[in-house]
Amino acid sequence: DIQMTQSPSYMSASVGDTVTITCRASQTIPNHLNWYQQKPGKGPNLLIYSASSLQSGVPSRFSGSGSGTDFTLTISGLQPEDFATYYCHQTYRAPWTFGQGTKVEI
Amino acid sequence: QVTLKESGPVLVKPTGTLTLTCTVSGFSLSDVRMSVSWIRQPPGKALEWLAHVFSDDEKLFTTSLKSRLTVSKDTSKSQVVLTMTNMDPVDTATYYCARVNIVSYKFDYWGQGALVTVSS
Repeated sequence: DIQMTQSPSYMSASVGDTVTITCRASQTIPNHLNWYQQKPGKGPNLLIYSASSLQSGVPSRFSGSGSGTDFTLTISGLQPEDFATYYCHQTYRAPWTFGQGTKVEI
Repeated sequence: QVTLKESGPVLVKPTGTLTLTCTVSGFSLSDVRMSVSWIRQPPGKALEWLAHVFSDDEKLFTTSLKSRLTVSKDTSKSQVVLTMTNMDPVDTATYYCARVNIVSYKFDYWGQGALVTVSS
């Protein structure tokens, strides 16, 4: 199975900050990497697919980059509604594994 | 408007079998571009992908639970059913179904989730 490792697991940030979350795959996954945001008590919401494509309706302050084994999610100008947990997810090879999550708190 | 909704028991006894139904609307389970996955999340923990069924009925399962899982779909009813046998308290989790657009393999719509507790 492909292991997905996110870092950091937790981060403290302020409104207006630029935040970067990294995700590393245990083997190459070309660009088959999605990012999700999850708020307490809610299901995940797709932000980025295919490593760098912005899902329709998602604010442009969210961006994704990377290929192969190393990926990043960047939030440029953190907004109050962005405080949440973020997950990376590979869909290159089943089983389609998730990272352990990164909680972004004030 | 695409929606997915999970339904099933709230409480399952240890060693029992869990059956969850995902009822979808706004797309067809026969659409070759679309399919459905099941994902779970224990309280306070990370997401775990469980199983997937394609429009042609091909299925995929997570490695560690493969022997306990079955997944099936009824296109006429717009339903996908997940069955998990030999339930244990560690299987207590919120279970989600999600639509997967297989053009880009993005999980673009999710259900609200169903919390299942395993306890005697």
